[in-house]
Amino acid sequence: AQTVTQSQPEMSVQEAETVTLSCTYDTSENNYYLFWYKQPPSRQMILVIRQEAYKQQNATENRFSVNFQKAAKSFSLKISDSQLGDTAMYFCAPWAGQNFVFGPGTRLSVLP
Amino acid sequence: KAGVTQTPRYLIKTRGQQVTLSCSPISGHRSVSWYQQTPGQGLQFLFEYFSETQRNKGNFPGRFSGRQFSNSRSEMNVSTLELGDSALYLCASSLEGASGYTFGSGTRLTVV
Repeated sequence: AQTVTQSQPEMSVQEAETVTLSCTYDTSENNYYLFWYKQPPSRQMILVIRQEAYKQQNATENRFSVNFQKAAKSFSLKISDSQLGDTAMYFCAPWAGQNFVFGPGTRLSVLP
Repeated sequence: KAGVTQTPRYLIKTRGQQVTLSCSPISGHRSVSWYQQTPGQGLQFLFEYFSETQRNKGNFPGRFSGRQFSNSRSEMNVSTLELGDSALYLCASSLEGASGYTFGSGTRLTVV
């Protein structure tokens, strides 16, 4: 069974600064994908970024990038130039062909 | 294009009753998954439907069931409601799972 750990229950960052959210996971699968989703107060889950485990190159999506360390089973999310709209719960979620296994989430607050 | 639509947004039911939640996926998406989100257990996978067939199932009791129609719309049903069933129920659809899922805004179910 897959397990996901997000060791930072809450974080805060000043607007325009950079913040990194950590995630480690455990899976016996060899082919899988990793996702970060955000859930703002509107409660809709929004896809932030996706990484294919077979790709060594770290995924980047505008201000969002990941540091994927496959051997260490680590998948951290870096948010650059933080904006007030980034305030949300962030969930790390491996997907191995069946369903997501979500981590417990990190509550990020961006302070003005 | 329209997103994933879940109805109703809010629901209050009494213990012992049953409830049906509805999810309309993005047009063309044939995979629909359901997740339960609670403060204590986080996000947990309920089941996934693809082309009217249940493809995967999480570890929930038989009181939780679902179905998918030929137009890919899905419903989930919870019978004999318990207080612990109070949760946000999220539906997600996908064209192809590895590309990621698009979530709806959820149905907030309160059991009293």
